[in-house]
Amino acid sequence: DAKTTQPTSMDCAEGRAANLPCNHSTISGNEYVYWYRQIHSQGPQYIIHGLKNNETNEMASLIITEDRKSSTLILPHATLRDTAVYYCIVGTSGSRLTFGEGTQLTVNP
Amino acid sequence: EAGVAQSPRYKIIEKRQSVAFWCNPISGHATLYWYQQILGQGPKLLIQFQNNGVVDDSQLPKDRFSAERLKGVDSTLKIQPAKLEDSAVYLCASSLGTWSSYNEQFFGPGTRLTVL
Repeated sequence: DAKTTQPTSMDCAEGRAANLPCNHSTISGNEYVYWYRQIHSQGPQYIIHGLKNNETNEMASLIITEDRKSSTLILPHATLRDTAVYYCIVGTSGSRLTFGEGTQLTVNP
Repeated sequence: EAGVAQSPRYKIIEKRQSVAFWCNPISGHATLYWYQQILGQGPKLLIQFQNNGVVDDSQLPKDRFSAERLKGVDSTLKIQPAKLEDSAVYLCASSLGTWSSYNEQFFGPGTRLTVL
């Protein structure tokens, strides 16, 4: 599976958009980009995934660059409850999820 | 819909003792996963079951760790004997699908193991 690179930490003001970047320059054509988050003392929670096209659901939007070498997870209106570690994972459909260390997002009041 | 259940939530043991963790996945989920999460790191897959068969245990330390899912529903992960480096949170997850299709994984709250 391709490796991902994420910033260790980010801060965001409450109510503003949080944009979390992820680099995956070695991604293969059949590999998806998945995002999970883990709130302190809880198990990870699925957010969104995509292959080529941008995706949006009730939690977030996923923007994948045309060359698929990077992506951005967007939380449009961050709240304090969005403070968590966000994991960007690349893999084929059905493959194991290989978690890195993720990005610690802190939403400040 | 009930989530993934795990017990116990916390466990403290001394090294060389044995310990077992229990997981009950979401009803109807065919795939069950056990992850180990060491403090400050992301979860690492230990073993994946499809119904009651193992599909991936390549990262399971088989000299001391074992897992079973006898009736294709709940599962038990055992460590015997425990080492200090086994101190971690053990997460169970489940998903609907088969090996060949992606399905969202739903995680339980985890069991925090401390080995003294």
